[in-house]
Amino acid sequence: DVKVTQSSRYLVKRTGEKVFLECVQDMDHENMFWYRQDPGLGLRLIYFSYDVKMKEKGDIPEGYSVSREKKERFSLILESASTNQTSMYLCASSLSGASTFGSGTRLTVV
Amino acid sequence: RKEVEQDPGPFNVPEGATVAFNCTYSNSASQSFFWYRQDCRKEPKLLMSVYSSGNEDGRFTAQLNRASQYISLLIRDSKLSDSATYLCAVNLHNTGKLIFGQGTTLQVKP
Repeated sequence: DVKVTQSSRYLVKRTGEKVFLECVQDMDHENMFWYRQDPGLGLRLIYFSYDVKMKEKGDIPEGYSVSREKKERFSLILESASTNQTSMYLCASSLSGASTFGSGTRLTVV
Repeated sequence: RKEVEQDPGPFNVPEGATVAFNCTYSNSASQSFFWYRQDCRKEPKLLMSVYSSGNEDGRFTAQLNRASQYISLLIRDSKLSDSATYLCAVNLHNTGKLIFGQGTTLQVKP
């Protein structure tokens, strides 16, 4: 089974901090994704990547950036955390069909 | 209009009931379709893919209606353990990039 591992389950950060969320997958998948999930808004795509060093904006990229230096690792960066970025962040990977998700990082920005 | 729409519910049903969820999508170029299950404070997990001919997995049946652009999920003989949020997902052009519905909440009661 594909395993997608997110480095932290819970994080609390201060407003203005730079925050790194790490995601690693072990099945050599080309595609990796970062979503955030908020009550009433569902899953929203932040950024995705189809290959190393490649990235594309999703639906809500503002305030975020990503890095994919190695195929197995896809990092989400909050350049200057704000309280409206408090959310559940979910990483996923896939070949071309269904995605497999990591267990999520619940980020609170205070 | 949202690209993928679901009735958020909640659907409250007694044990043993049959319940059906629909999910509509707006882009006729959509290639593949999935149902995910998400438990509270957990990540979405793939429940089943949806094939053109319809497919069944135990008590669960998924169907696709391309003409009317919707997919459905039927759960027979509901169990308490079926209580969860069910998310539909649509894949454009088999890119691996999934667009999710907001999810439908199911509560199965004794």
